[in-house]
Amino acid sequence: SQTIHQWPATLVQPVGSPLSLECTVEGTSNPNLYWYRQAAGRGLQLLFYSVGIGQISSEVPQNLSASRPQDRQFILSSKKLLLSDSGFYLCAWSEEPAGANVLTFGAGSRLTVL
Amino acid sequence: KQEVTQIPAALSVPEGENLVLNCSFTDSAIYNLQWFRQDPGKGLTSLLLIQSSQREQTSGRLNASLDKSSGRSTLYIAASQPGDSATYLCAVDGNKLVFGAGTILRVKS
Repeated sequence: SQTIHQWPATLVQPVGSPLSLECTVEGTSNPNLYWYRQAAGRGLQLLFYSVGIGQISSEVPQNLSASRPQDRQFILSSKKLLLSDSGFYLCAWSEEPAGANVLTFGAGSRLTVL
Repeated sequence: KQEVTQIPAALSVPEGENLVLNCSFTDSAIYNLQWFRQDPGKGLTSLLLIQSSQREQTSGRLNASLDKSSGRSTLYIAASQPGDSATYLCAVDGNKLVFGAGTILRVKS
């Protein structure tokens, strides 16, 4: 069966510090991978998605970047965090084909920037 | 641009009551619609997925309907229980998932 792991679960970082959140998927090949952010009291916002190694699409201009160094690994990064980067970050994966995508989420990473 | 709205934003009901959560979307060109559950501070769990060609899906006490032409979906929860307390989100897939802001449900014992 497929599983998705996301870490760290919680993170408190000072403004201007770097960030690295990691997500890995087991039990499948060539998954579609996603990073979402959920700000307090708001819906989920898609930040990045990837359909393959090295293929990253950005949905919104921001202070963050994503990379996919391996087939089942998705990393969310920042060189210098802003206060506005605080939020709940969720990694997710889905299989092809489009139209039958059940999206499976990780447990989330709560980031607080002070 | 797809917009997804969920009503009500919050709902509090006594245990045992049947309830309906509503989701509306502006662009009917979708592949599917999913309903998720999110417990506080946790990730999302997929509850039901309705393909665009389907009208409804059922899982246990949950029933989700889809009227693509009117841009509406409902999640019906029968005989609600305190364990159903969570935030419920709908998401519409038209190549990319667009989420609503969610309905916070509290079932009182």
